[in-house]
Amino acid sequence: QLQLQESGPGLVKPSETLSLTCTVSGGSISSSSYYWGWIRQPPGKGLEWLGSIYYSGSTYYNPSLKSRVTISVDASKNQFSLKLSSVTAADTAVYYCATHPEYSGYGVAFRAFDMWGQGTMVTVSS
Amino acid sequence: QSALTQPASVSGSPGQSITISCTGTSSDVGRYNLVSWYQHHPGKAPKLMIYEGSKRPSGVSNRFSGSKSGNTASLTISGLQAEDEADYYCCSYADSITYVFGTGTRVTVL
Repeated sequence: QLQLQESGPGLVKPSETLSLTCTVSGGSISSSSYYWGWIRQPPGKGLEWLGSIYYSGSTYYNPSLKSRVTISVDASKNQFSLKLSSVTAADTAVYYCATHPEYSGYGVAFRAFDMWGQGTMVTVSS
Repeated sequence: QSALTQPASVSGSPGQSITISCTGTSSDVGRYNLVSWYQHHPGKAPKLMIYEGSKRPSGVSNRFSGSKSGNTASLTISGLQAEDEADYYCCSYADSITYVFGTGTRVTVL
């Protein structure tokens, strides 16, 4: 059973870069079966998909944030990371990492976010 | 890529059925049968309730069901229980490995 855990600073200054890491356990991040994604929820607002990465390194980003988002994989540590540049107060949110399977089969939640981390709160403030 | 439209709130009494709508466009909900639904209790991780429009993951109660017509997907909760009180989000796969979430619906059990 895959488990995911986010980590990183809880406070980031405006205009700086937000950096978070998601550590995967119970499976390999190099598996061809999954994409690894980031989703956030600002206080009092809804969920927003930020982007995803495949084990090959191919990345896919939300068009509205594409210029500021970078997702990468560190297979040696079984981790993937999020970087969001030039942050403002509007980037204050709970950030979740999650997986979405890339294959279809019995009991497989094809292209749905089936496993989530607990989330980590990031506040942008000086 | 605009958020899918959901009602802000839906309520019902225990034992009743409620339906939450999720309206997108012909580029997301209408194009793919890849709508998923998530239950979100504050302070916890969202939980997948429905995938591929109408399929339930193992362990999810059969009181939860999903459907789609045109550009609108729906989640129905039958036999409403106090534990169902939460926020619910739809999500649709769109083109080229991108996803769009709904605006979210607060379900209240009266």
